[in-house]
Formats: sequence, structure tokens, C-alpha cells
Amino acid sequence: QSALTQPPSASGSPGQSVTISCTGTSSDVGSYNYVSWYQQHPGKAPKLMIYEVNKRPSGVPDRFSGSKSGNTASLTVSGLQTEDEADYYCSSFEGSNISYVFGSGTKVTVL
Amino acid sequence: EVQLVESGGGLVQPGGSLRLSCAASGFTFSGYWMTWVRQAPGKGLEWVANIKQDGSEKYYVGSVKGRFTISRDNAKNSLYLQMNSLRVEDTAVYHCARHIDWAFDMWGRGTLVTVSS
Repeated sequence: QSALTQPPSASGSPGQSVTISCTGTSSDVGSYNYVSWYQQHPGKAPKLMIYEVNKRPSGVPDRFSGSKSGNTASLTVSGLQTEDEADYYCSSFEGSNISYVFGSGTKVTVL
Repeated sequence: EVQLVESGGGLVQPGGSLRLSCAASGFTFSGYWMTWVRQAPGKGLEWVANIKQDGSEKYYVGSVKGRFTISRDNAKNSLYLQMNSLRVEDTAVYHCARHIDWAFDMWGRGTLVTVSS
């Protein structure tokens, strides 16, 4: 069960957009619309930002959006704000082992 | 307020055992799948195990199969993780999380497990 692949870092200025990719395989991201995204600030518990590829839980700003194409999912943060600076992790259901796999994590910096 | 509070972490020698607990409040615990996720120091998240509402289905990541056991007591609104034959690489903060719609929507702050001689 290998981790999903994310870029180690991404950055943007306030008000700009940043997109984070999450690449898996045909056993996980490519086969299921069960991709979720989590935001984690240092020393804090992760927070669910997107589930089922592109759905936002109540309370998550619509600046956060998700999409998927083939084996790659993406999270876009539009109108970057300083509080968006955090680590972001994707996750997917993995069917062959009936398990979940997380991405390697991306540190987003707001310049 | 929905709350998950983990406990039971600590320092243990390689080969030792530890039992983690997660106390849930603010929601109908028996109505949800529950999960354990761990995070090694300075590293990313790793899904460990999950358990169905009535405990009839349990799934584990390969690296802990045969060593860890997830369980729950719905009468006590509690989730557990029994960890045996612990290895240095099991060192991590262990979070419990509520499962909903193929995602983890509520998380505890975690309990630190350190495996070292």
C-alpha cells in the first residue's frame, strides 16, 4: 500500500490560487470517487476540507474545490488567505485491500 | 459538541504492548464507522484500521495485521486499539477519527506512542 504522490510544496501570494495534485493508481484514485482532502496546521488535528472528490463539508469556504481526472485528483485553493498556510493531505479508498491510503502531504506557503 | 479524546499513549520497549482508547461524545457513536490514523514525527498521515458500527467488520493496513486489534464498546462510546509486538517504526501520534461518506470528518488531537529501548 504505497502513499499517494503529492508535491512536497506549493505557494502563492494572497489572493492567488494554488492547485495541489494527488496521483494514485487504478486501484485507488482511478477507480473510486472516494478522494478526500485534509488541512493540518502545526500541532493540530487534521480537518476535512473535501470529500467524494468535490464535496465540501458544512463550514468549509467555497474557495476550496476538488476535482479528479483518471488516477490524479486535485485540490484548488482560490483567493489564498494567510490562514490557508498549512499541510494538505489527500486520501483515497483502496479497493484491492479494502483500506485507505493517504498522500505524502503538501506544504502550502502563502508568500 | 462533537469530541474525540484519545488516551493510553506512552513510552514502550520494542516488542511491548499498549492499548489506546478514544472517548467519543456529542454524537451517536454507534451509528458510525470509526478509524485510527497515525502520524510519525515530522511525517505524513497513515491509515491504520477501521471498524464497522457493530464491530462485525474490521480492516487493517498491512504493516499492522496480526499485531494490532481494533475494537469498540458502543455502550461506553469508546474505540480501542490494542497494539502488540510494537516496533520502533510504530512510533507516532495516533488519532481516532469518525468515518462518514468515505472520509474522516472529525478527528481527535491524538496520543503519542513512542517505541524505544
